[in-house]
Amino acid sequence: DQQVKQNSPSLSVQEGRISILNCDYTNSMFDYFLWYKKYPAEGPTFLISISSIKDKNEDGRFTVFLNKSAKHLSLHIVPSQPGDSAVYFCAASEGGGADGLTFGKGTHLIIQP
Amino acid sequence: GAGVSQSPRYKVAKRGQDVALRCDPISGHVSLFWYQQALGQGPEFLTYFQNEAQLDKSGLPSDRFFAERPEGSVSTLKIQRTQQEDSAVYLCASSSNRGSYGYTFGSGTRLTVV
Repeated sequence: DQQVKQNSPSLSVQEGRISILNCDYTNSMFDYFLWYKKYPAEGPTFLISISSIKDKNEDGRFTVFLNKSAKHLSLHIVPSQPGDSAVYFCAASEGGGADGLTFGKGTHLIIQP
Repeated sequence: GAGVSQSPRYKVAKRGQDVALRCDPISGHVSLFWYQQALGQGPEFLTYFQNEAQLDKSGLPSDRFFAERPEGSVSTLKIQRTQQEDSAVYLCASSSNRGSYGYTFGSGTRLTVV
């Protein structure tokens, strides 16, 4: 069973507009959530994270929103730039400590000029 | 080094062959993780080290998989008697603290079992 789900395998957005990537989770023990970005033939790169005690975290063009009651988080990128084209993975952790991360399958974001 | 280094980048193994994948973490990083990423999937947790201690190996798919980090720095993931379903990218990541957030991944080793 998939504990972290990214239901959109791909998303196409026009340059300059907002990109919204969604993620749902089922494990109520998750208390830390992360987004990673991955280019082909490279490892995932940490982008932004959020603790379950918050509902929003912002870093430049990137904002992550967490809705605990709905077990849903989203990543907003605004404005979208060509270099944002990549696969984005949502990941979750229990305790944020010695656990590994549980990843979704990823969403391929394509920014069109 | 500046980042997490993994070698080899690509490995082709005949079914039944043993393979060893190496990970050089960022110098001084305490935590080290191994993940397996099959085609079209997200990374899946295999095992975790804090220094030389293997604290969690719950993700290792079978007893053919073995990981070690004897001196608390370089780690090796060994797969014995490889099978076709072992074909995947094996990712290593390291972190400077016990927290799993924001750790740095290497570029991975792509293993193809033929």
